[in-house]
Amino acid sequence: KAGVTQTPRYLIKTRGQQVTLSCSPISGHRSVSWYQQTPGQGLQFLFEYFSETQRNKGNFPGRFSGRQFSNSRSEMNVSTLELGDSALYLCASSLGGTGANEQFFGPGTRLTVL
Amino acid sequence: TQLLEQSPQFLSIQEGENLTVYCNSSSVFSSLQWYRQEPGEGPVLLVTVVTGGEVKKLKRLTFQFGDARKDSSLHITAAQPGDTGLYLCAADGSGNTGKLIFGQGTTLQVKP
Repeated sequence: KAGVTQTPRYLIKTRGQQVTLSCSPISGHRSVSWYQQTPGQGLQFLFEYFSETQRNKGNFPGRFSGRQFSNSRSEMNVSTLELGDSALYLCASSLGGTGANEQFFGPGTRLTVL
Repeated sequence: TQLLEQSPQFLSIQEGENLTVYCNSSSVFSSLQWYRQEPGEGPVLLVTVVTGGEVKKLKRLTFQFGDARKDSSLHITAAQPGDTGLYLCAADGSGNTGKLIFGQGTTLQVKP
């Protein structure tokens, strides 16, 4: 079974631009969660989508948004990029049902904002 | 706010030594997971513990969930250079939804 894939793996943008990251979950997984990882803050939850609906949201500004398609693939968008948005963005997929929520992560997208 | 505190933050040991990493919280969790992450890659799930007092073994790694389900530990016996990486504990932050709260992580370096 193929794992979680993320594209692109690396991205360089300048302040003020916007960016869209893509995530394809493990086949059969209906939940996709997004996380931001930085050296100072560690892994922080951005949001989760389940069956095309945002089910949970972290404490990030509205510049960070996402969506999920009917095939469970997900995208996240960051508008008006700031230097502090430079980070490794990780998505994780899970079955999304009740019980222990085991999430499986993709390799991440390394975003650098200049 | 639910927080997970990991200790130590950094650990540098010689091959063959034993070590323990701790993950503590004041909150009760329904489950807790341990991940290992290598530079430039995503975290890889090692184990999930669900029951208070539960002990799980994965080769030389032993994971324990506290009786009160507020803390957990990871013990590595006879560490090897291949164990080098960032170890993260994570817990369900919103009742069986896709929101994990992560500890700050423990960076482990095992020298040959």
